[in-house]
Amino acid sequence: GAGVSQSPSNKVTEKGKDVELRCDPISGHTALYWYRQSLGQGLEFLIYFQGNSAPDKSGLPSDRFSAERTGGSVSTLTIQRTQQEDSAVYLCASSLTVASSYEQYFGPGTRLTVT
Amino acid sequence: DQQVKQNSPSLSVQEGRISILNCDYTNSMFDYFLWYKKYPAEGPTFLISISSIKDKNEDGRFTVFLNKSAKHLSLHIVPSQPGDSAVYFCAATGANSKLTFGKGITLSVRP
Repeated sequence: GAGVSQSPSNKVTEKGKDVELRCDPISGHTALYWYRQSLGQGLEFLIYFQGNSAPDKSGLPSDRFSAERTGGSVSTLTIQRTQQEDSAVYLCASSLTVASSYEQYFGPGTRLTVT
Repeated sequence: DQQVKQNSPSLSVQEGRISILNCDYTNSMFDYFLWYKKYPAEGPTFLISISSIKDKNEDGRFTVFLNKSAKHLSLHIVPSQPGDSAVYFCAATGANSKLTFGKGITLSVRP
């Protein structure tokens, strides 16, 4: 596809379960970013990838959060033992390179609801 | 500690009038500023940007002004149209290439 895609678009899960969120960046984009938007909050940076490596994991809220990227393309964000405060919209973005991070293209997001 | 602040959560403007969206930042290392627009159920889309070496950048109905001494930027939309109704995020970046976003402001343009 032409843009960034994310799946699922909506996910409802029970507290304590693990969830996986997927991001397909724009083809050829080497940089990929994950953000979280909680209700009434701005976009909170979580992690970014340059290729398959994640130089900056400082935004991950806790060790229950992890992310990986394989083949320089698809990325998955995994949240283990979900908590209600994890409920948010998780947004993925990509840019051609990290140097062009000012030109990020966003996916539609995954709305996660933890009950 | 919020480094990019959008202190007004919402703004309502009559169609045809000017919309002025404000943003303040605290980190003096930021050197590039952007505005993103977000419709419901969609990801943010890039709208306009400005480098710290400039004080104004214009693109059609959209103009961004930067006041570095005040650490303040604003987005002007003239004339405002109902299709401009959306959430607008201010963002800033510096040497670390990480975008820092504000909380966003919901703009409503009344027909």
